[in-house]
Amino acid sequence: AQSVTQPDIHITVSEGASLELRCNYSYGATPYLFWYVQSPGQGLQLLLKYFSGDTLVQGIKGFEAEFKRSQSSFNLRKPSVHWSDAAEYFCAVPNSGGYQKVTFGTGTKLQVIP
Amino acid sequence: GAVVSQHPSWVICKSGTSVKIECRSLDFQATTMFWYRQFPKQSLMLMATSNEGSKATYEQGVEKDKFLINHASLTLSTLTVTSAHPEDSSFYICSARGFNTEAFFGQGTRLTVV
Repeated sequence: AQSVTQPDIHITVSEGASLELRCNYSYGATPYLFWYVQSPGQGLQLLLKYFSGDTLVQGIKGFEAEFKRSQSSFNLRKPSVHWSDAAEYFCAVPNSGGYQKVTFGTGTKLQVIP
Repeated sequence: GAVVSQHPSWVICKSGTSVKIECRSLDFQATTMFWYRQFPKQSLMLMATSNEGSKATYEQGVEKDKFLINHASLTLSTLTVTSAHPEDSSFYICSARGFNTEAFFGQGTRLTVV
């Protein structure tokens, strides 16, 4: 079955610093991949998605992610982190193609310090 | 993006009582709705998938008689936690998708059983 792994449970960065959150996927074919953000006590918001085509995907709030087949990775990046980016971030993959039920990674909690 | 509204945002109930959580798609027709459960500091675990007008499909290990799901219309799905116990306390999140669209998430419901 398709799965994603987020190696980092918790990351702390200074405001204004760059950010990279790691996600590795396990899937035989080219996967669909998502990144979601969850603010405390809130639901999830889709940051960006990769289906095919350009391997560098732009999302909302200044986030981007790059699909690297050779590394089975789909890391999330942001050049300059803002305090409001503090949240939990989930990488996710649908269990089958398209928009079917989604399996989430374990999440990475981002803390932003002044 | 489309809006999914979940109600209530939080609820406290006594052990042994039942609680109903509503998930509404406000501006699109949701052909499929998903219910997730999230334990503290953990990822989201899919509980069940429901298609409008059909019986829900439950994931392995989820008690269908305990978590009753109804998806009677294209804009509303409900999750009823029957005979709730303290171990049912959790954060429940729904998501809804239309035909060939991504899934949009509700803001979640914090259930506390005392």
